[in-house]
This record gives sequence, C-alpha cells and structure tokens, in this order.
Amino acid sequence: DAKTTQPTSMDCAEGRAANLPCNHSTISGNEYVYWYRQIHSQGPQYIIHGLKNNETNEMASLIITEDRKSSTLILPHATLRDTAVYYCIVRVAKVGGSNYKLTFGKGTLLTVNP
Amino acid sequence: DAGITQSPRHKVTETGTPVTLRCHQTENHRYMYWYRQDPGHGLRLIHYSYGVKDTDKGEVSDGYSVSRSKTEDFLLTLESATSSQTSVYFCAISEALNQPQHFGDGTRLSIL
Repeated sequence: DAKTTQPTSMDCAEGRAANLPCNHSTISGNEYVYWYRQIHSQGPQYIIHGLKNNETNEMASLIITEDRKSSTLILPHATLRDTAVYYCIVRVAKVGGSNYKLTFGKGTLLTVNP
Repeated sequence: DAGITQSPRHKVTETGTPVTLRCHQTENHRYMYWYRQDPGHGLRLIHYSYGVKDTDKGEVSDGYSVSRSKTEDFLLTLESATSSQTSVYFCAISEALNQPQHFGDGTRLSIL
C-alpha cells in the first residue's frame, strides 16, 4: 500500500470548516483513499473513502486531486466533538493480496477550539 | 454505528494466566479482525477471520490464537499472557475484504 503523509496537528475554530490534507504521491491506480478518525479512548471510526471522484456523506467530504497524489478531508462545520486523530489510509481496492488489513500511520490531531 | 460489542472493556491480570477477549457483532458481516494498539506502533493486525472456522494470521500473531465458531463471535486468546501483551485491543468487522472496516470500542488489557 502507498505511504501517506499528514501534518502532525491542526487547529480549527468551532463552526468553521476543517480541511485536513493528505499526501499520497505514490498511490497506484487500484488504490482507494480511506479516512478514519479516533476520538480519545474510542475505536477508530470510518469516515469516508474514494477512488478518484470526490465523495460526500453525512460526516464529511473527500476531495481527491486529479492526479490522485493528494486529498483533503473536509468537515464542513467542525464541533468540539470532532476533536480527534484523523488517519488517511491508502488501500488496494481489489480483493486479495494484503488488503485485509488497514495500515494506520500517525495521523493528524485535529483540535477544535471554542 | 456498527453493532460491535467487545468484552470485557477492561481487564487486569497476571503474567502466565490465560486471557480470552470476545468480540460480538450483530451485523452478520463475514470478516472479523483483531488489532492491538500501542504507543509508537499504531494499530497492528493480530488475526482475522473470513468465515466460520476460517482464520488467518496478521502481522503480530505470535502468542495469540483465535476462534470463530459462529458468525457473530470472534474470540482472541492469550494462552499465557506476558507483559508485552499489555495493550488496547480492537475488534473490527467488514462485509467484504475491500469494504470499510468498522471498529468496536476496545478492550484495555493490563498484564502485571
């Protein structure tokens, strides 16, 4: 799986949009971009994933650049409860190989301030 | 939220004792996973299951065994616990290998 690079930490004001970047310059054509987050003392929570088109769900939006070398997770109206470590993960799309596991890096600690 | 229950949520035990952690799901998902999370290492896969009685090793399987006798339950056993197995253990489930994994709230295990 391709390696990802994320900032160590970010701050965001409550009510504002939080934009979390991820670099995955070695991503290959059959790899998805996944985002998870982990709130302190809880299990990782799946947020969203995408291949090459932008995706939106009730939690967030995922913007993937045209060359797929980077992506941005957008939380449109951050709340204090969104304070967490956010992980960007690249994962092979096809069944088989090593894609049975998720490889979590260090992630970005997002702190939402009142 | 996915219906995943891990038990116990916290456990303290002594070196050399057997320990079994349970993961129970109500989603009827085929795939189940056990991870451990330690500072500096992130989450690491211990074992996973791709069906009843079908399991395989992950990247840190030494000292652990698993069993899955029915779809909804996946057990992780430490036959003889060691202090290096002190960790937070997470169970995850997924419908298919290439689908998102959903995690339980974890078991905090301390081995003294």
